[in-house]
Amino acid sequence: AQSVTQLGSHVSVSEGALVLLRCNYSSSVPPYLFWYVQYPNQGLQLLLKYTTGATLVKGINGFEAEFKKSETSFHLTKPSAHMSDAAEYFCAASNSGGYQKVTFGTGTKLQVIP
Amino acid sequence: GAGVSQTPSNKVTEKGKYVELRCDPISGHTALYWYRQSLGQGPEFLIYFQGTGAADDSGLPNDRFFAVRPEGSVSTLKIQRTERGDSAVYLCASSLSGIGLAGAISTDTQYFGPGTRLTVL
Repeated sequence: AQSVTQLGSHVSVSEGALVLLRCNYSSSVPPYLFWYVQYPNQGLQLLLKYTTGATLVKGINGFEAEFKKSETSFHLTKPSAHMSDAAEYFCAASNSGGYQKVTFGTGTKLQVIP
Repeated sequence: GAGVSQTPSNKVTEKGKYVELRCDPISGHTALYWYRQSLGQGPEFLIYFQGTGAADDSGLPNDRFFAVRPEGSVSTLKIQRTERGDSAVYLCASSLSGIGLAGAISTDTQYFGPGTRLTVL
């Protein structure tokens, strides 16, 4: 079965600093990979996704993630944190045939310190 | 356009009661998904509809949980004899199509609603 591991349930960065949120997956076949963001009292919003092709994926709000098959990782980065980036981030994976049966990680809460 | 909506936003009920949670997907989306998010956890898959039919209900925890989508649009998640452990946020998502080309996984983005927070006392 597919599983997704997010290292660090809470991450704090200073405003303007690099954001790095870690995600590893376990899969016997190449998965589709996603990062979602959840702001308080709002629904999950897709930041970016990897399906096939280029392994460096750019998303909204300046975020990007790189699919590294050899490391089974899909870490999320942003060069410079903004206060508005404070939210909870979920890494997810899907490899069920035909449709997206998505398995989510447990989430990482990002705090941005002014 | 309008996103996925869920009603009610909050539901408090007593142990043993029956509850219904409603999801209105984005118009034209044929695929609909239900997830459950417990405190401190990521969302967990419950059930997937393609049109009116439940194509995969393997995530439903037990037979107290049931979901319908009779006209291929609005879906209702029904929980009988609620237990305290059912307390969670129930999320609904929809996508344009759940079916990928030639058996491949659909790449269509799932759009999530704000969720219904269920509290069982």
